[in-house]
Amino acid sequence: DVKVTQSSRYLVKRTGEKVFLECVQDMDHENMFWYRQDPGLGLRLIYFSYDVKMKEKGDIPEGYSVSREKKERFSLILESASTNQTSMYLCASSLNRGRGYTFGSGTRLTVV
Amino acid sequence: GNSVTQMEGPVTLSEEAFLTINCTYTATGYPSLFWYVQYPGEGLQLLLKATKADDKGSNKGFEATYRKETTSFHLEKGSVQVSDSAVYFCALSGEGGSEKLVFGKGTKLTVNP
Repeated sequence: DVKVTQSSRYLVKRTGEKVFLECVQDMDHENMFWYRQDPGLGLRLIYFSYDVKMKEKGDIPEGYSVSREKKERFSLILESASTNQTSMYLCASSLNRGRGYTFGSGTRLTVV
Repeated sequence: GNSVTQMEGPVTLSEEAFLTINCTYTATGYPSLFWYVQYPGEGLQLLLKATKADDKGSNKGFEATYRKETTSFHLEKGSVQVSDSAVYFCALSGEGGSEKLVFGKGTKLTVNP
């Protein structure tokens, strides 16, 4: 089975800190995605990547950036964390159309 | 663009009851359709999928049929268990064959013993 591993399950950071959320997949998937999940708002796409060093903005990219230097790793960066970025962050990967995503277990980030 | 509308929850059922969670979609072309499940404190897991009209996806007693004529992909289970308590998300593939999935807002199911 494909595994998507997110480096932390729970994270607490201070306002203004630079935060890195790491995601690694082990099955050579081309596509990787970062979502945030908030009550009542469902899943919202932040950024995605179809290939190494390639990135595209999703629906809510403001305040975030990403990095994909290697195929298996997709990092989400909060340049200066703010309290409204407190959320559950979900990473996913996929191989090609019709297969769907494999999700990681999520990182619950709290910014204080 | 492609979109999905999912019945709002929460849904509360007794054990062994019949479950239906409605999902309808708007799409160009022939999207693939998915149901995901999220157990408390976890990420989403693929529950079942269908890639063309009249396909039936099934897994763990859950079923959904891709109905192009009604643009629907309703999730059903004949007899729910307490362990089925979770949030269920309907999703479809994006426009033009995009790999980006479009998700519904999720339906929270609670099954009481």
